[in-house]
Amino acid sequence: NAGVTQTPKFRILKIGQSMTLQCTQDMNHNYMYWYRQDPGMGLKLIYYSVGAGITDKGEVPNGYNVSRSTTEDFPLRLELAAPSQTSVYFCASSSGDTSNQPQHFGDGTRLSIL
Amino acid sequence: AQSVAQPEDQVNVAEGNPLTVKCTYSVSGNPYLFWYVQYPNRGLQFLLKYITGDNLVKGSYGFEAEFNKSQTSFHLKKPSALVSDSALYFCAVRAAPSSGGSYIPTFGRGTSLIVHP
Repeated sequence: NAGVTQTPKFRILKIGQSMTLQCTQDMNHNYMYWYRQDPGMGLKLIYYSVGAGITDKGEVPNGYNVSRSTTEDFPLRLELAAPSQTSVYFCASSSGDTSNQPQHFGDGTRLSIL
Repeated sequence: AQSVAQPEDQVNVAEGNPLTVKCTYSVSGNPYLFWYVQYPNRGLQFLLKYITGDNLVKGSYGFEAEFNKSQTSFHLKKPSALVSDSALYFCAVRAAPSSGGSYIPTFGRGTSLIVHP
């Protein structure tokens, strides 16, 4: 019963490096989301997707890119890492806009940029 | 735009005492409301939701929440707190389908619940 799986769990990057945070879900959910969580700031939506091939910006998309080639996978790309992107990143999924079901979250990727 | 306010950054309660974590919201049309709990180094876990019907909803681990439409509130409660309830709690709101509002959930900033032995 995997749910939402995120890899890696931890990563340290140097300024200017790039990396991809992986997210996969096995619940056949149409909707997927990327959030960042900073202390005392709650969750900020970075990008979301309502289905394969469709993505849209959230509240804080600058410095990030996403793709959604399959229903299961929703990777998040950091092209030029900056210290301001040090955060904990959470991926989530849900059934869809007419559903009353909650979101399911992964356990996060803790990213430090030095 | 929809929004959620959790007015307390931290709530302290003694074990065995009742607890309340406050949440107020703003949304276009009817709300779908959710509470989630986050333990250290883990993702958010669903606790309970209000969709329609009874204003008092019951969820996991003995938690319940009361929906109050006139006060636009959805406070989380538990009659008797446990030390193991210590965690970060998030309230979230989205618009019900056909309400004209956003179906993307908006989260509050979270409330840290500390239960003292």
